Amino acid sequence: GAGVSQTPSNKVTEKGKYVELRCDPISGHTALYWYRQSLGQGPEFLIYFQGTGAADDSGLPNDRFFAVRPEGSVSTLKIQRTERGDSAVYLCASSLTSESEQFFGPGTRLTVL
Amino acid sequence: GQQVMQIPQYQHVQEGEDFTTYCNSSTTLSNIQWYKQRPGGHPVFLIQLVKSGEVKKQKRLTFQFGEAKKNSSLHITATQTTDVGTYFCAGLNTGGFKTIFGAGTRLFVKA
Repeated sequence: GAGVSQTPSNKVTEKGKYVELRCDPISGHTALYWYRQSLGQGPEFLIYFQGTGAADDSGLPNDRFFAVRPEGSVSTLKIQRTERGDSAVYLCASSLTSESEQFFGPGTRLTVL
Repeated sequence: GQQVMQIPQYQHVQEGEDFTTYCNSSTTLSNIQWYKQRPGGHPVFLIQLVKSGEVKKQKRLTFQFGEAKKNSSLHITATQTTDVGTYFCAGLNTGGFKTIFGAGTRLFVKA
């Protein structure tokens, strides 16, 4: 596809469960970002990948959050022992470099009951 | 840590009026980007400013980057109903990878 895709578009889970959110970036984009956006707020930086490695994971809120990008393309954000406060829209973005425009996916709306 | 403040939080205008949103960073930025997010949508890139004092125009939109590379503004001339949405600035720290978004300014345009 031409743009960034994210799956699932919606995820409802129960407190304490494990979830995985997937991001397919634009082909050829080496830079990939994960953000979290709550209602009425701007996207909150979580983690940045350059290729396969996490160059900056300083935005991950705690050790329940983890992300991988094993082949430098698709990325998965993993959340363990989900809490109600994790409910938000999780956005993925990709770009050619860390200093170029970011192309956002449609997001995954996570609801933790 | 680095903060990016954006004001105002909301702006209601009559169609045809001008609109400005302001962005201030607590640290010097490598560059600043502006995005627009429509209700229910995702952020869409508008422009990037890199140089100190840079001014760029896109039709009715004018973007400025401050001399100290710590503040920026977006000005829309003669707003239209299609301008409705939330405008975010996003700053990249010098030497870093972390993009920090402002909280956004939500623009409402009354026809």
